[in-house]
Amino acid sequence: AQKVTQAQTEISVVEKEDVTLDCVYETRDTTYYLFWYKQPPSGELVFLIRRNSFDEQNEISGRYSWNFQKSTSSFNFTITASQVVDSAVYFCALSEARGKAGGTSYGKLTFGQGTILTVHP
Amino acid sequence: GAVVSQHPSWVICKSGTSVKIECRSLDFQATTMFWYRQFPKQSLMLMATSNEGSKATYEQGVEKDKFLINHASLTLSTLTVTSAHPEDSSFYICSAPTSGRASYEQYFGPGTRLTVT
Repeated sequence: AQKVTQAQTEISVVEKEDVTLDCVYETRDTTYYLFWYKQPPSGELVFLIRRNSFDEQNEISGRYSWNFQKSTSSFNFTITASQVVDSAVYFCALSEARGKAGGTSYGKLTFGQGTILTVHP
Repeated sequence: GAVVSQHPSWVICKSGTSVKIECRSLDFQATTMFWYRQFPKQSLMLMATSNEGSKATYEQGVEKDKFLINHASLTLSTLTVTSAHPEDSSFYICSAPTSGRASYEQYFGPGTRLTVT
């Protein structure tokens, strides 16, 4: 069974601080995908990044960066110089990479519990 | 980019009635769609996998007779909450992968907020 753990339930920072959101996952699959989503108060999920299990290269996108370490089964997310608009719930998620026999387990995501990030002005 | 829509965006219904939620892929075909449920301040939990032309696959603990799923075409899946009760009040979100080989492109709908009074 797959499992995603986001140990930080809530994080509160002051604007311009850097903040790291932790994500640890468990899977028996050798090929899988990892995701981060942002959920603002409106509820709509905003896709941030996807990583496949063979690509451990860290990625930076503007103020966002991701650290994927397969050895520790972690996929952490850092926001540099946080802003008030970053306030949201952030979810880490794990997906199988290929459909299994019958196709019924193809593509479903297992989400972590979410981390509520509040950035104060 | 690919877009997934949901209708309605919110609905209030009385206990005992049924509610239908639609999930549409607007510019791609989706043989598979997923339905998630999110209770307030909780994570998203997969309810079922909707398969075009065949029966849906339900996750353990989800009542298939209560949550009817129909995937009648390659762009539309519907979730019907039958005989709704206040405990069914939740945020329902659908998603669709765009690739036929892997799930790495997942597009989520904007969600439907259901309130049962």
